[in-house]
Amino acid sequence: DVKVTQSSRYLVKRTGEKVFLECVQDMDHENMFWYRQDPGLGLRLIYFSYDVKMKEKGDIPEGYSVSREKKERFSLILESASTNQTSMYLCASSLGSDGRSNQPQHFGDGTRLSIL
Amino acid sequence: AQSVTQLGSHVSVSEGALVLLRCNYSSSVPPYLFWYVQYPNQGLQLLLKYTSAATLVKGINGFEAEFKKSETSFHLTKPSAHMRDAAEYFCAVRHRDSNTGKLIFGQGTTLQVKP
Repeated sequence: DVKVTQSSRYLVKRTGEKVFLECVQDMDHENMFWYRQDPGLGLRLIYFSYDVKMKEKGDIPEGYSVSREKKERFSLILESASTNQTSMYLCASSLGSDGRSNQPQHFGDGTRLSIL
Repeated sequence: AQSVTQLGSHVSVSEGALVLLRCNYSSSVPPYLFWYVQYPNQGLQLLLKYTSAATLVKGINGFEAEFKKSETSFHLTKPSAHMRDAAEYFCAVRHRDSNTGKLIFGQGTTLQVKP
């Protein structure tokens, strides 16, 4: 089974701090994704990566950056945390494809981040 | 732009009753389709996916979904609800030309199962 591991289940940080959320997958997947999930808003894509050192903005990248130095690890960085970034953060990975396959995304258990 | 709509943010059924969660997509070309389930304080787990080999797709935990091109729908059903089915359910689509694996998610439907 695919295993996507997020480093923390719960995290509390202060406004202005630089925050790192880590995600590791063990299935050699090319694609990795970061989402945030808020009540009534569903899942919103922050950033994704389709290869090492490659990244693309999702729908809500403002206030975030990412790093993918190794294929198995995808980090989300809150440059200067603000209270409106309090949320559940979900990491996912999937096999790369040429568009002709229906590879699903596999999710970690999430990190519930509170910014005080 | 492609989108996916889940009708009903909350659905409540009695234990043993039929579960029907609705999902419609907007795309001229049928996309790849997925249903995920999220239990409290957990990530999303894949329930089933549409492969285009058959219009009726069977998934885990007794769930199934039927692809209807004429209705641009992919509704999720289960004949008899269990208490353990109480969770949030997400429909997701992926455009067939996408090479990034990006999914577009619906807003989610919370399923409540009453004893």
